[in-house]
Amino acid sequence: DAGVIQSPRHEVTEMGQEVTLRCKPISGHDYLFWYRQTMMRGLELLIYFNNNVPIDDSGMPEDRFSAKMPNASFSTLKIQPSEPRDSAVYFCASSLRGGSTYEQYFGPGTRLTVT
Amino acid sequence: DAKTTQPNSMESNEEEPVHLPCNHSTISGTDYIHWYRQLPSQGPEYVIHGLTSNVNNRMASLAIAEDRKSSTLILHRATLRDAAVYYCILRGVYGGSQGNLIFGKGTKLSVKP
Repeated sequence: DAGVIQSPRHEVTEMGQEVTLRCKPISGHDYLFWYRQTMMRGLELLIYFNNNVPIDDSGMPEDRFSAKMPNASFSTLKIQPSEPRDSAVYFCASSLRGGSTYEQYFGPGTRLTVT
Repeated sequence: DAKTTQPNSMESNEEEPVHLPCNHSTISGTDYIHWYRQLPSQGPEYVIHGLTSNVNNRMASLAIAEDRKSSTLILHRATLRDAAVYYCILRGVYGGSQGNLIFGKGTKLSVKP
């Protein structure tokens, strides 16, 4: 398996623009997670899905952020409109099941810069 | 939520063993102890996890104190590739939000040739 795939790897955009980050989880994994990493706040969980259904979005910073999972092999994280403080590395991860003994597999991340 | 305490940084020499400590004095009886690491410019990767007994895998060993209030990740022979930030994380057994990964600041391990 190719692992978790994220695109783009780097994104530079101007404030106010819409940004869409994409993720393809490992085939057969039931859970998908979106994280954000910044120097100030470290790694934070934004939202996670089980069988394509959002379960907990309490980590989503504000209404400008939205995430979807239209099918088992694809998820998007959208920021509209983007702001400079959204600059971060965004990671997608997937796991086979949701229990505490199941490891999460992380993608390489998307480095977002908003100018 | 039960929290963990780790040193901010540690140094090791290449090919020597490394012991990375983690304190979790408020751990509950059903919390698993997980370790992840993050190499530079990469996403985190799973290292090992355990509940009560010591655990070994191809990457590392996990030694858990008898009272479970602390644990140690052991890299038997550090290589330059092991330079990373190591996160010790407690995960509740019931899954859901209690089973999520909550990352602290971790320990930044430097390996000297």
